[in-house]
Order: sequence, then C-alpha cells, then structure tokens
Amino acid sequence: RKEVEQDPGPFNVPEGATVAFNCTYSNSASQSFFWYRQDCRKEPKLLMSVYSSGNEDGRFTAQLNRASQYISLLIRDSKLSDSATYLCVASDAGNNRKLIWGLGTSLAVNP
Amino acid sequence: DAGVIQSPRHEVTEMGQEVTLRCKPISGHDYLFWYRQTMMRGLELLIYFNNNVPIDDSGMPEDRFSAKMPNASFSTLKIQPSEPRDSAVYFCASRQVGGYTFGSGTRLTVV
Repeated sequence: RKEVEQDPGPFNVPEGATVAFNCTYSNSASQSFFWYRQDCRKEPKLLMSVYSSGNEDGRFTAQLNRASQYISLLIRDSKLSDSATYLCVASDAGNNRKLIWGLGTSLAVNP
Repeated sequence: DAGVIQSPRHEVTEMGQEVTLRCKPISGHDYLFWYRQTMMRGLELLIYFNNNVPIDDSGMPEDRFSAKMPNASFSTLKIQPSEPRDSAVYFCASRQVGGYTFGSGTRLTVV
C-alpha cells in the first residue's frame, strides 16, 4: 500500500463547477501536509499547506482530518486554468524534511 | 531571483554511458533535494543535502547513482553506467523555510 494515496482521476468538470479531491496517508505520525499543483511537463509548485483547522486561499480550501488520516482539497468556481495534476504530500513521520508524495489527481476543466 | 536552475533540460543517451545532471539552488536555501519522477512511481526522493552535506541517500537506487554538492550553489547527480530503466524526469528542489521550489527538471531518456 502506498503511503499517500489519491484517486488518479481524471476528473472532468465544466467551468464554474466545484470539485473536491481526497487523499489518505498511512502514517499517523506525519506532521506536515501540502497540496502541490503540477502542469503537464512542468515542475510541481506549492499550492497550499494544509492545517488541522482548515485553510482557505481564494477559491481553494484545504482540510486535514487527523483522526481519519485524510486530506482534502476543494476548488470552487473552477477555471480552465485549474486544469492540472494535484499532488497530495505528507511529511515523513521520522523526518519532517522528507516528503512523501501521492501519484496525483488529474483535473480537466472544460469550457 | 532566477529560481532553481537545472541543466540540461533534455538528455538522450545510450545505455552504458555516463550521465551528469546539474542543479543550481536558490541562493540562501540551505536544503537541496534530488527527486525522480515516473508515471508508475510518482515523485521519489533520491537524496538530500543540508548545508552541502548529504543527509539521507536512502532513496538512491543503487551504486550506479551518486550525488555531490561541492558548494552552496551547485550540485550534481551522476548515473554511471546508465540503463533504460533510469529514464525519468529528474528534479532538483531547494528549500529554506516553507515549501520547496523545484527546478524545471531534466528529462532523461536512456536508449
């Protein structure tokens, strides 16, 4: 079982839709969590960190549920430019400097 | 700031040849990471450095892989001899406080 698991998708949604991704992590001792975005043939870029209290950045909301060991990302009013792969990331339980990456969830926003 | 700079962007080489990938981190970032990304395995951490010192190389696949960081502004990842299964995108990332910044990657094809 992979340490960080995501539904690979693809998610195909129309512009303006709300879409949610979930991700589960296996090690309860992981301390830090992130969502990264990766465009086709480009490098990953940090989208947002994820905190237990939940955090919002414009149209994006991230949530962490430690009891169930899952992380979510909600995108409201999706834009064509949101089309990308979204990578869920958890820190290694024994070393916060090491990150464990999910394989990503592919999102296509259609006109 | 120019960001993390990697070279070459693309490399095609024959099996058995030596390959050297290069990375210049962001000035002032004290951590440098080398990752490999494939469709099947996603992003995998190969090795990381702190203040030019290798801290964890447990992700290096085998003795054919080696990495150095002779100074704060330069690192190399070498594969010798290369094999077709080494074909992947290799990313370098640097970090100070907060999330990683990735370079554009080197797309390696070993034929």
